[in-house]
Amino acid sequence: QVQLVESGGGVVQPGRSLRLSCVASGFNFSTYGMHWVRQAPGKGLEWVAVIWFVGNNKYYGDAVKGRFTISRDNSKNTLYLQMNSLRVDDTAIYYCARGIATGTTTMSFLDYWGQGALVTVSS
Amino acid sequence: DIVMTQSPDSLAVTLGERATINCKSSQSVLHSSNKKNYLAWYQQKPGQPPKMLIYWASTRESGVPDRFSGSGSGTDFTLTISSLQAEDVALYYCQQYYSTMTFGQGTRLEIK
Repeated sequence: QVQLVESGGGVVQPGRSLRLSCVASGFNFSTYGMHWVRQAPGKGLEWVAVIWFVGNNKYYGDAVKGRFTISRDNSKNTLYLQMNSLRVDDTAIYYCARGIATGTTTMSFLDYWGQGALVTVSS
Repeated sequence: DIVMTQSPDSLAVTLGERATINCKSSQSVLHSSNKKNYLAWYQQKPGQPPKMLIYWASTRESGVPDRFSGSGSGTDFTLTISSLQAEDVALYYCQQYYSTMTFGQGTRLEIK
């Protein structure tokens, strides 16, 4: 069965860095696009980034562009999110999710989600 | 970015009755090349990640009960639960994947 397990969350001071990981199992990881989506406490869902399997194309939401970097290691079935210059408003649960390619856009619907990793940015 | 607006923000329905949640996009999510609407619905229960219910606006994900259905096209969409069950209490989100992914603000569904 498909499983996505995030790790690397924690408490960090503003301006510092943190790297999240998401280990995938139960499917051919290298053939799927993978997303990060976040949810601030008590708030809605916000898309963060996607990395596709073709050409390693990457796209980011405006709120994190230039500060966060998405990457993947297909040999380890692992997705990463490097978060630099963290701000208080980056505090959220970060979910990794599997994307289903549409063939016509860079976005997708998300059929499997991990349980999430909580990142708290506070001084 | 395309703005997704759901209505109502919260909804209380009697067990066994119909629940209807609306989602409106600020621009059409109907792709001209394939005539598909790039719209999905998710259910989120407390302490859990979202679960996909519907994609392409009306295609039910495998394993999702058939009391859940999606409809609409262009900019106006609806998620309908035909006969509310206690386990359907949750937050519901619409999402467009026509361009940079955006979600609606969520609709909280409760039992009356």
